[in-house]
Amino acid sequence: QKEVEQDPGPLSVPEGAIVSLNCTYSNSAFQYFMWYRQYSRKGPELLMYTYSSGNKEDGRFTAQVDKSSKYISLFIRDSQPSDSATYLCASPRSRNTDKLIFGTGTRLQVFP
Amino acid sequence: EAQVTQNPRYLITVTGKKLTVTCSQNMNHEYMSWYRQDPGLGLRQIYYSMNVEVTDKGDVPEGYKVSRKEKRNFPLILESPSPNQTSLYFCASKGVEEGHETQYFGPGTRLLVL
Repeated sequence: QKEVEQDPGPLSVPEGAIVSLNCTYSNSAFQYFMWYRQYSRKGPELLMYTYSSGNKEDGRFTAQVDKSSKYISLFIRDSQPSDSATYLCASPRSRNTDKLIFGTGTRLQVFP
Repeated sequence: EAQVTQNPRYLITVTGKKLTVTCSQNMNHEYMSWYRQDPGLGLRQIYYSMNVEVTDKGDVPEGYKVSRKEKRNFPLILESPSPNQTSLYFCASKGVEEGHETQYFGPGTRLLVL
């Protein structure tokens, strides 16, 4: 079993829809989580990180962590065609290292 | 402008011919990392460095070397490349800016080993 799993998609939604992107993880030692966005032929960019259970909001993006079920989500409100990209979740193996474990990514397509 | 640069961006080489991919960041970040990205496997960490002269293995370090002699540079060295090292490589740096953790990735280096 991979330590961080994501559905590869593609997920195709109309403009304006609410998008839900999800990851599951297996390692209880994971303490905080990140979401990245990667446009085609570009490097990933850090969107959000969260240290605890619950929600964290940043503009149209909300990150949610449920440690009891080892489930993390990224919600995108009012999705735009410019949100079309691959979204990656990640977690460091421990807080004091930079040893990051990534999911394989979910490809999102927002059509006008 | 915050930037991580990598060179070269594209490289075709042959098995066994030593190569170096350079990485440089202009943000004075302490943390730097190298990743490879492969279809179906996602991003996997090769090596990381928490500061000058401090490096450690990631998940897939075999066949790679790194050095961190200066804060801004973190080159990736393939002493004897093999076809299974054909991949898309990303360098990244991480730091704290205005109280928030930030991380930047380079544009990627696409390597083909024949």
